[in-house]
Amino acid sequence: SQQGEEDPQALSIQEGENATMNCSYKTSINNLQWYRQNSGRGLVHLILIRSNEREKHSGRLRVTLDTSKKSSSLLITASRAADTASYFCATLSYTGTASKLTFGTGTRLQVTL
Amino acid sequence: DGGITQSPKYLFRKEGQNVTLSCEQNLNHDAMYWYRQDPGQGLRLIYYSQIVNDFQKGDIAEGYSVSREKKESFPLTVTSAQKNPTAFYLCASSSAVGPGGQPQHFGDGTRLSIL
Repeated sequence: SQQGEEDPQALSIQEGENATMNCSYKTSINNLQWYRQNSGRGLVHLILIRSNEREKHSGRLRVTLDTSKKSSSLLITASRAADTASYFCATLSYTGTASKLTFGTGTRLQVTL
Repeated sequence: DGGITQSPKYLFRKEGQNVTLSCEQNLNHDAMYWYRQDPGQGLRLIYYSQIVNDFQKGDIAEGYSVSREKKESFPLTVTSAQKNPTAFYLCASSSAVGPGGQPQHFGDGTRLSIL
């Protein structure tokens, strides 16, 4: 089942603008991860935020996590045409014997010149 | 360069046929995963393996089978029992299994279609 739900489903912005994507989830998690997927390719890991963290930065990426609201956001600042891709959040839950990632449905980001 | 190699890139299945998708990694990762991605959707877990000679069903295992005879290899067989196999299949691996949850590294996928 899909745990994460991204919002919006699609986002179109101009180069230089900021892009914000949101993710909501349903159950308790150990960490939340964001991935990027270029068309027809595999996923690439962007950033991981643990359940006891509230904010994390990596280059032009900023991720926040609110465990009380079961939500996360990914901010890409000063977007570039090369940022055009689909972005997925994934929540990790550890059952005691296995850790599993559950992916959301993704946000398709289009950055135009 | 270390990474995950999936082959073939495109695969066609005839009615009643089993097909096998290859996944090889040279990252020395213990855990490997198979996901299915349908158009406009996220990834759904088919099978995963945390150690050689052991694997567990994911959320949509029916119609699929796997083996893990070597640490580097985790092939997926799509059997004739899988009635809707058309999808993009992604293999991934990670370095550790546990509450820490390391990021997963992905191959570039195999696109399977029905003839």
